[in-house]
Amino acid sequence: GNSVTQMEGPVTLSEEAFLTINCTYTATGYPSLFWYVQYPGEGLQLLLKATKADDKGSNKGFEATYRKETTSFHLEKGSVQVSDSAVYFCALSDPYSGAGSYQLTFGKGTKLSVIP
Amino acid sequence: DSGVTQTPKHLITATGQRVTLRCSPRSGDLSVYWYQQSLDQGLQFLIQYYNGEERAKGNILERFSAQQFPDLHSELNLSSLELGDSALYFCASSPRDSLSQGDEQFFGPGTRLTVL
Repeated sequence: GNSVTQMEGPVTLSEEAFLTINCTYTATGYPSLFWYVQYPGEGLQLLLKATKADDKGSNKGFEATYRKETTSFHLEKGSVQVSDSAVYFCALSDPYSGAGSYQLTFGKGTKLSVIP
Repeated sequence: DSGVTQTPKHLITATGQRVTLRCSPRSGDLSVYWYQQSLDQGLQFLIQYYNGEERAKGNILERFSAQQFPDLHSELNLSSLELGDSALYFCASSPRDSLSQGDEQFFGPGTRLTVL
């Protein structure tokens, strides 16, 4: 079956530090990959996505590249801000897996805290 | 604001009781998904409805059930509650019945259930 593994947190960084959150996946078909973000007390919001190999998703200074050869989709940001403090979830959907995909498969989430 | 609404925000109840969680999808979305978020299990897909019909089932307990009404809002019913059912329950919506390449789900703010 499909699965997503992401680095366990929590991660604590100083403002303006470089961020990497690792994410690897297992899928039977050709998945679409997502990063969702959950700010304190809120629901999940889509941060970025990529739908095919070598695609780069980007938004709000965050980037992730779909690497089929390493089955990875690592999230990066060059300079984090206090406002980036949140929980980040890597996820996949697998539209070509047999009967189609009706759900997102999520990693366990990585809590990021950015201190001034 | 994703356009998905959930009520109530918080629910505190006792073991053995029954509760109903409500979700209204984004305008125009026909699919509703329910997820459970707990500290140890992460985000787990429970069930999906599309235009009033059950479409996919995940790790949903037999004590739990859901339905989607003609106005497309959905309710998740949890019965014979146990301490381990304490979690954040999210509803998400999307336009179609299955996730095509790159389709995202739009999440509500969640209902926090505490079982004492």
